[in-house]
Parts: sequence; structure tokens; C-alpha cells
Amino acid sequence: ETGVTQTPRHLVMGMTNKKSLKCEQHLGHNAMYWYKQSAKKPLELMFVYNFKEQTENNSVPSRFSPECPNSSHLFLHLHTLQPEDSALYLCASSLHGLLDPYEQYFGPGTRLTVT
Amino acid sequence: KQEVTQIPAALSVPEGENLVLNCSFTDSAIYNLQWFRQDPGKGLTSLLLIQSSQREQTSGRLNASLDKSSGRSTLYIAASQPGDSATYLCAVGFWAGGTSYGKLTFGQGTILTVHP
Repeated sequence: ETGVTQTPRHLVMGMTNKKSLKCEQHLGHNAMYWYKQSAKKPLELMFVYNFKEQTENNSVPSRFSPECPNSSHLFLHLHTLQPEDSALYLCASSLHGLLDPYEQYFGPGTRLTVT
Repeated sequence: KQEVTQIPAALSVPEGENLVLNCSFTDSAIYNLQWFRQDPGKGLTSLLLIQSSQREQTSGRLNASLDKSSGRSTLYIAASQPGDSATYLCAVGFWAGGTSYGKLTFGQGTILTVHP
């Protein structure tokens, strides 16, 4: 248990559906991240939120829409996805300051299948 | 652009062997380096974190080294056990330019199988 939880753990959705992934961290961290892990590819950073402000959008298609209402919660809203979006979506958090050691803690992931 | 390469892509060893996993990166301006373990279909578990000013870290049977100048890190696993079977990921951390947060770039991982 790393202190980062994700729900749901598994999700199957059609291409016309709208769903949301949720991430919550109980570590008092101030930065949160969404990563995508596809088969046979390295983890890809999607979004970064620092102090609730989005500081990175790694050329992610607009069918993925992140939301960070506070420093403990992060959502990924999904709509009109494609089958190639099927992957493991991982959330992570870290504590930041200019002198902090900066270690990322990961949640268990949501296995998404788009049919 | 930082690129991280892990060798070998897969490794199968008998129980009890000592083994070394390799990680190389192209840009030596890193903040730290993390080794993770990932079990099939699961999230990432952090094993060791080495700050850029350090040369190695140890935890139990695991030892990780870092040579920034050559862009290399190794993860040494002593007396391997079947329970060590997993994918091992190396990730280098660096400050995103002009911001106050860091980023991780991951390698593709080494799939380790330890058979009894």
C-alpha cells in the first residue's frame, strides 16, 4: 500500500461512452501525475499537476481531460475513446520543493479496455 | 530529449543466482534515478532511489549504483528467489526546465523470471 489509490481497478467501455478515472493520495503531496502504460511501450507521462495547477500536457488527445480539484484528488475524464487507448493508466504523486528529494509514489492502476 | 534503455529485455535465471540489470540514459543532467518493480497487471513499487550526488543505495538483497558521468545505473539482486520474478523498471528524474517540479523518463523494463 503506497498511499495512492485508484478507482476503478478495471474498466471496459465502448467508444461512445463517457467515464472517469479517480486517483486519491493520502501522503500530503503537492504534485500528481497521470501515466499511460501500453503493451511493449515505456510508461508515458500524460499530465502533471503541481499545487492543483496543470503544468504539463504531453500532447495528449483532447478525448482525455484531467481535473484536479484539490491536491489530494486527480481525475481523468474519458470520452469517445479509441481501441488503441486500451492500456494501464497509472496515477502517481510526489512532494515538491526545490530542495526536496522528489520520489514518486504510484497507485495500482486502472486497466482500461475500449471495445 | 532524455532516453532510457534497459538491458537485457528479459532474463531467466535459476533460483539462488546473483544477477545484474542494466540501465543507461543519454542526458547526465539528472536529479535522481529510481528503480521500480512491477508485477503483472499491477502498479509500480519503488525499490530504490539514488540521488544525483550519491553513488549507490542498498536495501536488503538489492543494491543499485549510479554513474552519472557515463550515464549508467545497475541493479544488483543477490541470491535471487522465485518471488523476485517481475518486471524491473528504471526511471531517471530531472527538473522540467523553468518549473518547480520534476519529471521521470522510464525505460522499457527488464522482465525477470527466477525459476525454482
